[in-house]
Amino acid sequence: RKEVEQDPGPFNVPEGATVAFNCTYSNSASQSFFWYRQDCRKEPKLLMSVYSSGNEDGRFTAQLNRASQYISLLIRDSKLSDSATYLCVVNPSEGQGGKLIFGQGTELSVKP
Amino acid sequence: DAGVIQSPRHEVTEMGQEVTLRCKPISGHDYLFWYRQTMMRGLELLIYFNNNVPIDDSGMPEDRFSAKMPNASFSTLKIQPSEPRDSAVYFCASSLEGRSLARAFFGQGTRLTVV
Repeated sequence: RKEVEQDPGPFNVPEGATVAFNCTYSNSASQSFFWYRQDCRKEPKLLMSVYSSGNEDGRFTAQLNRASQYISLLIRDSKLSDSATYLCVVNPSEGQGGKLIFGQGTELSVKP
Repeated sequence: DAGVIQSPRHEVTEMGQEVTLRCKPISGHDYLFWYRQTMMRGLELLIYFNNNVPIDDSGMPEDRFSAKMPNASFSTLKIQPSEPRDSAVYFCASSLEGRSLARAFFGQGTRLTVV
């Protein structure tokens, strides 16, 4: 089983749609969680951290369910510029410091 | 800040040749990571350093791969001898441990093609 697993893509949605991505992680001791965004042929960049109580940043909402070891990202009112690959990222902790494990990524394509 | 700087941006080499990828992390960051990205396997962590010391190299595929960090501002990833299956984008990233732990900043990557 992979340490971090994501929904297979691609997701093709019209502008203005709401889209949700899911992610599960295998290490129950994991402490930190993130969503990164990667544009085509570019490097990954941090989109947002994921906090236990859930958090929102504009049109983006992240949720964490520790009991189910599940992370989600919701994008409302999607824009053409949201087209990218979204990567679920976990810091497995347990003395592993800054180690980050990336999911395979889910590709999003927003169409006019 | 210039961000994480990697060189070269593109490398095409013949099978069997030695390849050296270079990385300059963001000044003051104490973690440095080497990742490899392919379509099939996504982003894989190869090795990471903390304060120039290798902490976990369990992701290094085989003995042909080696990484060094001689000082806080420079790291190399070497492949010797290179093989076509090493073709991938290699990313270097750095981060600073703290309350916002693990916000990793990535370089633009080195696109390696082994023919």
